[in-house]
Amino acid sequence: DAGVIQSPRHEVTEMGQEVTLRCKPISGHDYLFWYRQTMMRGLELLIYFNNNVPIDDSGMPEDRFSAKMPNASFSTLKIQPSEPRDSAVYFCASSGQVNQPQHFGDGTRLSIL
Amino acid sequence: KQEVTQIPAALSVPEGENLVLNCSFTDSAIYNLQWFRQDPGKGLTSLLLIQSSQREQTSGRLNASLDKSSGRSTLYIAASQPGDSATYLCAAPNSGGSNYKLTFGKGTLLTVNP
Repeated sequence: DAGVIQSPRHEVTEMGQEVTLRCKPISGHDYLFWYRQTMMRGLELLIYFNNNVPIDDSGMPEDRFSAKMPNASFSTLKIQPSEPRDSAVYFCASSGQVNQPQHFGDGTRLSIL
Repeated sequence: KQEVTQIPAALSVPEGENLVLNCSFTDSAIYNLQWFRQDPGKGLTSLLLIQSSQREQTSGRLNASLDKSSGRSTLYIAASQPGDSATYLCAAPNSGGSNYKLTFGKGTLLTVNP
């Protein structure tokens, strides 16, 4: 049974460029989450979806960040334009109902030069 | 706003030792609490989820307890092994909002020495 799949695993790009991170959740999971992890702030929830609809995006740091979920098997997190302070590991997770654990992908390590 | 604290930040023990990791949270009106493990360069792996109606959950050598009234949870690892070396994080839902919005602690980095 495939877990949450994220791509790319690593991304290095220059400041000002557009960055797109991709996620495929576990089949049958209704909830999808995007997190960011840094040494300073730990793991923070950016946005989450239920049945492809964004429910809470209060963790999205700025308008430069946007997320979409066009169907149940795919989501993207986009940063445009990127800045060095966006450098972090970005995780996607999915889950079923409320008392089921969240399953995480291996993350995308993003470096903005 | 929920705040989650984990103590200690790092722990080093010899193989075979039993150990306890601590997690405290500020808002006790939680629906559940989760413990995760994170290996270097990897995502989080769910270890145990304790529902608010439960006091503990067990999986193999792991036992997690939950005391909502005191805002505390512990993860007990019996007979530790080098393969248990990882960062352990606990997470509690944000207060006053969705039970899906988790606040994570900064984690405890565990090293088990052979």
